[in-house]
Amino acid sequence: GNSVTQMEGPVTLSEEAFLTINCTYTATGYPSLFWYVQYPGEGLQLLLKATKADDKGSNKGFEATYRKETTSFHLEKGSVQVSDSAVYFCALSGSAGGTSYGKLTFGQGTILTVHP
Amino acid sequence: NAGVTQTPKFQVLKTGQSMTLQCAQDMNHNSMYWYRQDPGMGLRLIYYSASEGTTDKGEVPNGYNVSRLNKREFSLRLESAAPSQTSVYFCASSEATVAGGGNEQFFGPGTRLTVL
Repeated sequence: GNSVTQMEGPVTLSEEAFLTINCTYTATGYPSLFWYVQYPGEGLQLLLKATKADDKGSNKGFEATYRKETTSFHLEKGSVQVSDSAVYFCALSGSAGGTSYGKLTFGQGTILTVHP
Repeated sequence: NAGVTQTPKFQVLKTGQSMTLQCAQDMNHNSMYWYRQDPGMGLRLIYYSASEGTTDKGEVPNGYNVSRLNKREFSLRLESAAPSQTSVYFCASSEATVAGGGNEQFFGPGTRLTVL
């Protein structure tokens, strides 16, 4: 079945530092890949997505590239802010042409704390 | 536009009690989902509904039942609560249809349930 593995956290950075959160996946076919963010006390919200190989998703300074050859979708940001402190989840949903109904498989989440 | 709403926000139950978590969306989405979030395990799918009148099991359905009352509402019921069901429960919806791999899911704010 599908699975997603994220780097273990928590991750603690100083403001303006470079961020990488690793994500690798196992799936058949061509899944869509997502990064969701969860701010304290809130539900998840979509940060970015990519639906085919070599696509780059980007939003709010965050980027991730769909690498089929390495089955990876690593999240990066060049200069983090205190307001980026949150939990980040990598997720995938089934291949086009399948019967996924959009169901998501999540990684375990990575807690990011950014200090001033 | 409220998006996805969930009630209640917090609930404490004793072992063996029952309760229903309510979820509603106002985006006219076809698919709705229930997840549970546990520390270090990400979100896991309990049940989903691809359309009004249909429901199907996810990864961790044992101890739960669901009802897709209409296109807007999708409820989750615990018939006899157990301490292992202590968790944060999230409802989500999306436009996804049968092959919907790239559709964003929109999440509610969650229900924090404690079973004593």
